[in-house]
Amino acid sequence: AQTVTQSQPEMSVQEAETVTLSCTYDTSESDYYLFWYKQPPSRQMILVIRQEAYKQQNATENRFSVNFQKAAKSFSLKISDSQLGDAAMYFCAYRVFYNNNDMRFGAGTRLTVKP
Amino acid sequence: KAGVTQTPRYLIKTRGQQVTLSCSPISGHRSVSWYQQTPGQGLQFLFEYFSETQRNKGNFPGRFSGRQFSNSRSEMNVSTLELGDSALYLCASSSGGQNQETQYFGPGTRLLVL
Repeated sequence: AQTVTQSQPEMSVQEAETVTLSCTYDTSESDYYLFWYKQPPSRQMILVIRQEAYKQQNATENRFSVNFQKAAKSFSLKISDSQLGDAAMYFCAYRVFYNNNDMRFGAGTRLTVKP
Repeated sequence: KAGVTQTPRYLIKTRGQQVTLSCSPISGHRSVSWYQQTPGQGLQFLFEYFSETQRNKGNFPGRFSGRQFSNSRSEMNVSTLELGDSALYLCASSSGGQNQETQYFGPGTRLLVL
């Protein structure tokens, strides 16, 4: 079974600084997708960034970037120039490319941004 | 495009009752997935519907059921409610195609069982 582990229940960062959230996963598949979702206190889950496992290049979306290490099964999220609006729960998620398997989520990391 | 919508947003029920939650996916999306989110168990997959057929099912008892209509709207039903069913129920839609695995979430329905 595929599992997703987020080892940091809570993280904090000073506004304008950089923070990295960790995620590891366990799978025997070679083709899959990885995602980072953000869930602010309003509860709406928002897609932050997505990575296809067959792409070696790390995905980037503005201030958000990932460090995807396929061999190590690691998928960390880096937030640069942190803003107060980045404060939220961040979930790492995994989905197999084929067979339409369900999405598996990590337990989440609560990010606090200090002004 | 309008996002995923869920109704109702909040619901209070008592043990033994049943409840039906509704989800309207993004226009053009044919896949709808349901998740239960609780502080203790986190996000857990309930089931996925694609073109009116259940395509995946999580590890939940038969009290949890769902269906999807021809317009891709989906409903989830929970019968004989238990206190432990109190949770945020999230619906997510995707196009359903092999290269479009990104799910977009609705705001959720907060269910409280008393």
